[in-house]
Amino acid sequence: DQQVKQNSPSLSVQEGRISILNCDYTNSMFDYFLWYKKYPAEGPTFLISISSIKDKNEDGRFTVFLNKSAKHLSLHIVPSQPGDSAVYFCAASPPRSSNTGKLIFGQGTTLQVKP
Amino acid sequence: NAGVMQNPRHLVRRRGQEARLRCSPMKGHSHVYWYRQLPEEGLKFMVYLQKENIIDESGMPKERFSAEFPKEGPSILRIQQVVRGDSAAYFCASSPPRGRGNQPQHFGDGTRLSIL
Repeated sequence: DQQVKQNSPSLSVQEGRISILNCDYTNSMFDYFLWYKKYPAEGPTFLISISSIKDKNEDGRFTVFLNKSAKHLSLHIVPSQPGDSAVYFCAASPPRSSNTGKLIFGQGTTLQVKP
Repeated sequence: NAGVMQNPRHLVRRRGQEARLRCSPMKGHSHVYWYRQLPEEGLKFMVYLQKENIIDESGMPKERFSAEFPKEGPSILRIQQVVRGDSAAYFCASSPPRGRGNQPQHFGDGTRLSIL
């Protein structure tokens, strides 16, 4: 039962271009979504998040878009840089009323930014 | 370093031994979470703890696994009688109390557990 899915295992883009990473979810009760970046042998690093009451959140080169009707979110990185090469995970949080702190992660997308 | 600290970074055990993984949350964080990542998979939630309380252990295997977050000291994830299938990366995360708004969880660099 994969509630959060990242259907593209990998993505390759040219330096300076836009990277778009996608994520789909099945549970309409999720109310908070996050993107993490992970380098090998390190822990996930928090990048950006969005509440379900918003449809866009921007932080520097990173923008997250949320389409609740489609149960879809995406992460845009522009311009992409070689240092952005990593595995990107999207994660979703059940509502606080469920009294669980769990994050539900997708399988990850490996981004390669070519110089 | 004010981040989430996990130790050891690498742990090798033989089948049947016990594994103890430790996690010190970020300063000011009172909530701790443990996740497991198997090869080629995403992170899977195991347990959520506050000081001296287990809040949600819905992701913990029913046997051999336990977790605690004592009043003093780090959080401990304990695996008894380890088996080969326990080989994985175990990540700890922490966050401040959720309060009025959502707070991201911040992760440590993990413990890589290898079972011989």
